[in-house]
Amino acid sequence: TQLLEQSPQFLSIQEGENLTVYCNSSSVFSSLQWYRQEPGEGPVLLVTVVTGGEVKKLKRLTFQFGDARKDSSLHITAAQPGDTGLYLCAAIPNDYKLSFGAGTTVTVRA
Amino acid sequence: DAGVTQSPTHLIKTRGQHVTLRCSPISGHKSVSWYQQVLGQGPQFIFQYYEKEERGRGNFPDRFSARQFPNYSSELNVNALLLGDSALYLCASSLIHNTIYFGEGSWLTVV
Repeated sequence: TQLLEQSPQFLSIQEGENLTVYCNSSSVFSSLQWYRQEPGEGPVLLVTVVTGGEVKKLKRLTFQFGDARKDSSLHITAAQPGDTGLYLCAAIPNDYKLSFGAGTTVTVRA
Repeated sequence: DAGVTQSPTHLIKTRGQHVTLRCSPISGHKSVSWYQQVLGQGPQFIFQYYEKEERGRGNFPDRFSARQFPNYSSELNVNALLLGDSALYLCASSLIHNTIYFGEGSWLTVV
């Protein structure tokens, strides 16, 4: 059983549309992280959310941590082809390893 | 500054063979972790080393082993390769309890 469940698994949209990716768990976390991974590369950290209800913005990306610290969402406004990639959420259930979700593959068509 | 570097980038091995993957962390980083990413899945934790000592191990068989050297570089060894070991192997380095930086990975194909 996956500690973190991500949905949807795949998302294909037209340039300029908005999209939301979800990361859910039955466990409570002290923090959650979001990564983007492009083909042929390792994951790159986008953001860490640590406080329940927290909202962080990174240009057109908005990240939210649920009030109960069990779930998170990533919203992209006016998506661009450069946003294409695998979006991964990750938690640190103890202090030495990341536990990743299976990821959401986002494709933005020009 | 150089990021996390891994070698080789791609390799093909036959079932039953042994493989060694190498990782050089970012300068100053003493913690190195290894992850396995099978196609279509998120990375799965294999090992973490800090100051040459194993700090954590994921749910992988004893065929998987690793070590960290005095210069903080690391090797991941996999014995008796199986088809299911085909994956992207990611190395990550960090200052302890800080942001983790991933390398580009080593693509292993077992035939």
